[in-house]
Order: sequence, then structure tokens, then C-alpha cells
Amino acid sequence: GAVVSQHPSWVICKSGTSVKIECRSLDFQATTMFWYRQFPKQSLMLMATSNEGSKATYEQGVEKDKFLINHASLTLSTLTVTSAHPEDSSFYICSANGQGNQPQHFGDGTRLSIL
Amino acid sequence: AQTVTQSQPEMSVQEAETVTLSCTYDTSENNYYLFWYKQPPSRQMILVIRQEAYKQQNATENRFSVNFQKAAKSFSLKISDSQLGDTAMYFCAFISSGTYKYIFGTGTRLKVLA
Repeated sequence: GAVVSQHPSWVICKSGTSVKIECRSLDFQATTMFWYRQFPKQSLMLMATSNEGSKATYEQGVEKDKFLINHASLTLSTLTVTSAHPEDSSFYICSANGQGNQPQHFGDGTRLSIL
Repeated sequence: AQTVTQSQPEMSVQEAETVTLSCTYDTSENNYYLFWYKQPPSRQMILVIRQEAYKQQNATENRFSVNFQKAAKSFSLKISDSQLGDTAMYFCAFISSGTYKYIFGTGTRLKVLA
């Protein structure tokens, strides 16, 4: 089945550092990818929709300059958390859209801890 | 705006028993898809079952089945012969035809007891 690879799975870094998370569709082309944030014991919150070759669409309340998204190819989207602070610590999950209304394929997530 | 509601934050069930997780949603659209996802402690999102709104027949996948009541906007998940490995967070999700954005419920934490 379709696989989405997300890297890294866990990152710990100092406050003020920028962190890049990659989301790759391994065996299919994904014109649309999604980035979610999940706090402990809570649901997934959509942060932004990443569109190949165009600007990402951010959900209300999500800072564009804080969470930079680049979708430069049909198989790769990246989320960069710029100048990360402890409040940015969270679990980030990406997903990629299959064809039509097929279920999204999720990556395994990235646990981000900012010290 | 579409919303998805899961009214049971936590549930537990004895191994081998049956449990039903509830989900209701609100939409004015006629064409949409509904899903149940399982998120175990590893935090992977695992698709359990999906239902197309235009299909009257309830979807089934082995021990998992749904009771889809379109008029009532209800989409419950029944897990039969519960297994310890079913212990996880379960999310109900909605997506309307033509868009690709999931709307997730708040989740139900299910614990299967030995």
C-alpha cells in the first residue's frame, strides 16, 4: 500500500533553533499534503495544506512565518519550525492525499521537544 | 461548517466482548466520506474503516463494523471480540467530496481489559 515517510521521528533542540521536518510519499505522487499538530491526549489539529508548486494554505491562527511549508516536488513537503520555543513542542504529523477521495496516508509523526 | 463530535472521551471493554464507539457529525452536504482511525501508543494513524455517504450498506472490516445513519448523521463503530491490541485512541473523521481536508472528532480512548 501507499507509504508516507516522515523524518525525523524525534528531535530535541535548543530554544531559538529552526527545525525542518520532511514528509515524503514513497510510491505515489501527492499534489496535496497536510500538516497536523497534536497535543497530548488531544485530536489532530490541521495546521496547513501544502500544494505542490504553490503556496501553502494555512488554517486560522497558524503563523505562516513561524511554520514555513515548502512543497517543491510531487513527493516531498517540508515543514520548518523557525526559531522554535518550548511552546512549539508537540507531535507533528503529515499526510498525503491519494487520488480522488481515497483516504489520506499518514506519516508516523515527529515528536518535537524544544528545551 | 462541518463538525464531528465524539461524546465518549474514554471507554473500556473486557477482552472478547463487544464495544460501540459513537460519532455524530454535522454537515449540509450530501456527498461525503466518513472514517474511523485508530491511534495506538505508537501514535501511528491507522485506518480502521471508511464509509461513503452514498452507500446505504454499512461498511465492515473483519471485527470492525459501522452503523451509519445518514438521516441522523450518526456513524458509530462496533468492535467485536475485542483484543488487547485494540487498546488505542479512536478518531472519527469526515471529509466532504471535492475537498481533501479531514475534520477529526476529539477522540475516544479505548482500553481493552484482560
